[in-house]
Amino acid sequence: AQTVTQSQPEMSVQEAETVTLSCTYDTSESNYYLFWYKQPPSRQMILVIRQEAYKQQNATENRFSVNFQKAAKSFSLKISDSQLGDTAMYFCAFGSGNTPLVFGKGTRLSVIA
Amino acid sequence: ETGVTQTPRHLVMGMTNKKSLKCEQHLGHNAMYWYKQSAKKPLELMFVYNFKEQTENNSVPSRFSPECPNSSHLFLHLHTLQPEDSALYLCASSQRTGSTKPNTGELFFGEGSRLTVL
Repeated sequence: AQTVTQSQPEMSVQEAETVTLSCTYDTSESNYYLFWYKQPPSRQMILVIRQEAYKQQNATENRFSVNFQKAAKSFSLKISDSQLGDTAMYFCAFGSGNTPLVFGKGTRLSVIA
Repeated sequence: ETGVTQTPRHLVMGMTNKKSLKCEQHLGHNAMYWYKQSAKKPLELMFVYNFKEQTENNSVPSRFSPECPNSSHLFLHLHTLQPEDSALYLCASSQRTGSTKPNTGELFFGEGSRLTVL
């Protein structure tokens, strides 16, 4: 069974600074997807960024980028130029074929003015 | 505007009550999910419906009863709940392989129904 581990329950960052959230996973699959989801306080969970395992190039979405290390089974999220609106719970998730996504426990990120 | 709508947003019920949570998706997806989100715990998958058929029941107690009348609607019927069932219940939808639309693996979530059991 796949597992996803987020080792940082809480993090904080100053506005305009850069922060990296860690995620590791365990799987025997060779083809899969990895995701970072964001859940702002009392708001809907939304997809931040997605990476296909067969792609070597790291995914990037504006200020959000990932460092995907397939051999190490590591998938960290980097947020550049942090904004107050980035304050949220961030969940790392693993998906393969038609099996439901497996989520980590989440990291609570606070952006401080 | 969210493509997945959940009602009610907040619900308070006694242990002997019967209530239902409703989820509707407007994205044309073929799979729908119920997740339970409790404080300091990972998201717990409860049920999965694929093309209206239940494909996963993650050892959920029988006091939670799902219903999926069509691919766009999903219900969670609640009866004789316990205080530890208090949580945020999230509905999600996705496009799974087997249809003509591409499968991105992505889940689309509703805003959740905050349940408090007294």
